[in-house]
Amino acid sequence: KQEVTQIPAALSVPEGENLVLNCSFTDSAIYNLQWFRQDPGKGLTSLLLIQSSQREQTSGRLNASLDKSSGRSTLYIAASQPGDSATYLCAVKSRGSTLGRLYFGRGTQLTVWP
Amino acid sequence: KAGVTQTPRYLIKTRGQQVTLSCSPISGHRSVSWYQQTPGQGLQFLFEYFSETQRNKGNFPGRFSGRQFSNSRSEMNVSTLELGDSALYLCASRYTLKSPLHFGNGTRLTVT
Repeated sequence: KQEVTQIPAALSVPEGENLVLNCSFTDSAIYNLQWFRQDPGKGLTSLLLIQSSQREQTSGRLNASLDKSSGRSTLYIAASQPGDSATYLCAVKSRGSTLGRLYFGRGTQLTVWP
Repeated sequence: KAGVTQTPRYLIKTRGQQVTLSCSPISGHRSVSWYQQTPGQGLQFLFEYFSETQRNKGNFPGRFSGRQFSNSRSEMNVSTLELGDSALYLCASRYTLKSPLHFGNGTRLTVT
């Protein structure tokens, strides 16, 4: 069974810092990996999707990398802003019979203070 | 393009009752998935539907069921509610298997 772990569980930084959020997964037979952001009481907003054949994806100040062989992904946030405060979730879509299902980490709760 | 729409946003029910939650996917998306989110367990997969057929099911009791209609809209039903069913229920849709999953804002269910 796929297990996804995110480190750290919480992070509090001043505005302007560059951040790295980590995600690891136990089964490298993945189809893709997706990073989400969740604001309190809201649903999930998709940030980046990396297919298993890709190494990284970029969107604005966000960059996500994938090392399938070591079972790791990182989300890099450049020049953080208070509006980036949210919980960031990593989710993996595994190959095999549970193809459509995503396995989620518990998230990293990020606070960026002015 | 409208996003994934879930109704209602909030529900309060009593133990033993049943509840139906509704989800309208993004136009053109034929796959709809349901997830349960709780502080203790995080996000857990309930089931996925594609073209009115259940494709995957998570490890939840038979009290949790769902269906998908020909217009891709989906409903989830929970019967004989228990206190532990209190959670945020999230619906998501996608266009193809390679596409990103898009989530709605969820239905917050409280069981008293």
